[in-house]
Amino acid sequence: GENVEQHPSTLSVQEGDSAVIKCTYSDSASNYFPWYKQELGKGPQLIIDIRSNVGEKKDQRIAVTLNKTAKHFSLHITETQPEDSAVYFCAATSGYSTLTFGKGTMLLVSP
Amino acid sequence: GAGVSQSPRYKVAKRGQDVALRCDPISGHVSLFWYQQALGQGPEFLTYFQNEAQLDKSGLPSDRFFAERPEGSVSTLKIQRTQQEDSAVYLCASSLQRRGFSGNTIYFGEGSWLTVV
Repeated sequence: GENVEQHPSTLSVQEGDSAVIKCTYSDSASNYFPWYKQELGKGPQLIIDIRSNVGEKKDQRIAVTLNKTAKHFSLHITETQPEDSAVYFCAATSGYSTLTFGKGTMLLVSP
Repeated sequence: GAGVSQSPRYKVAKRGQDVALRCDPISGHVSLFWYQQALGQGPEFLTYFQNEAQLDKSGLPSDRFFAERPEGSVSTLKIQRTQQEDSAVYLCASSLQRRGFSGNTIYFGEGSWLTVV
């Protein structure tokens, strides 16, 4: 089955800095890679996703890149704000399988 | 409703008790998933429904776990004879299309926090 590794497990940045979270996956059949943000006491919320037919996708301050050859995808958050503080999860699926999640990255943005 | 709704939000059960967790998916969504999230971990798959059919239950940890979706809408996850290791957040998720459909966004509920004492 799919295995998703996520790094780092914690990330502290100053407000206004950029944050990068990296994930690798094992199943070459995976073709859909969503990122979820989870705030304390809440369920995961989809923030951006990318499919295997594109290499990069951007939505305002958030971008995701995908390198299918290396089986690697990353989340980039620019101009971080305190409200970006949360746990971020990457996930991967081939579509015919279920979403497999990474272990999460706790992002802390200090004012 | 506008999103996936789960109840109860919090449940404390004594070891050995049976619990039932309810999920109301987004109206019209074909697919429904249950995930288990231990503290400090990512969600882990339990089971999948396409309408009323339970097509995948490979993630259920033991035969004490049972899920149903009899009319293809509301789903219930039942845990019999709860154990301390069952303490976790149980997340329900739904998506518009069947699993395998390209571009199938999955939406999560807030979760049911189960503590077994």
